[in-house]
Amino acid sequence: EAEVAQSPRYKITEKSQAVAFWCDPISGHATLYWYRQILGQGPELLVQFQDESVVDDSQLPKDRFSAERLKGVDSTLKIQPAELGDSAMYLCASSRRGAGSHEQYFGPGTRLTVT
Amino acid sequence: TQLLEQSPQFLSIQEGENLTVYCNSSSVFSSLQWYRQEPGEGPVLLVTVVTGGEVKKLKRLTFQFGDARKDSSLHITAAQPGDTGLYLCAGTNAGKSTFGDGTTLTVKP
Repeated sequence: EAEVAQSPRYKITEKSQAVAFWCDPISGHATLYWYRQILGQGPELLVQFQDESVVDDSQLPKDRFSAERLKGVDSTLKIQPAELGDSAMYLCASSRRGAGSHEQYFGPGTRLTVT
Repeated sequence: TQLLEQSPQFLSIQEGENLTVYCNSSSVFSSLQWYRQEPGEGPVLLVTVVTGGEVKKLKRLTFQFGDARKDSSLHITAAQPGDTGLYLCAGTNAGKSTFGDGTTLTVKP
């Protein structure tokens, strides 16, 4: 069964350092999402791609966060510089184009700890 | 902003008991999804409901979408320890999903 891949699974970094997360969606899925999930809360959308284009980044803190999906397949989310408040689970999800596009398939996430 | 409120926030029951958790909003959604998330893992899709009043069953889990497509419920019959986890609902409109904060369910053996 196809799965969304994410790496690394865990990351510990010091504040002010740069950190990057990688996501490989299910093959053929046109839409890719990055979410942040703070412990005890539901996922919050950071950025949504349709193929290689950003369709929603309204909640992305653009002064320190950036995301790209250059070839419309895998994606990278970067934080520079990291702050203590960025400690959270970062989830990537993908969905099909058209019918079934509302059903998102999540990767295992990257647990970020900023010290 | 489309908000989803889930209740209860926490639920601890004994194996074999029945339970219902709720997902409520003042917004209308074109579809609503339920996910289950285990600690340290990503959410796993359980079901999608689309039509107002729709009922879907997945083994011991029964999902219902409200007639007005603003709310939903998840009922578990004869809960088992393997049902333990965070249950999230997500309302979707125009390709964008808004998640609730979930119900954390613990089923004790």
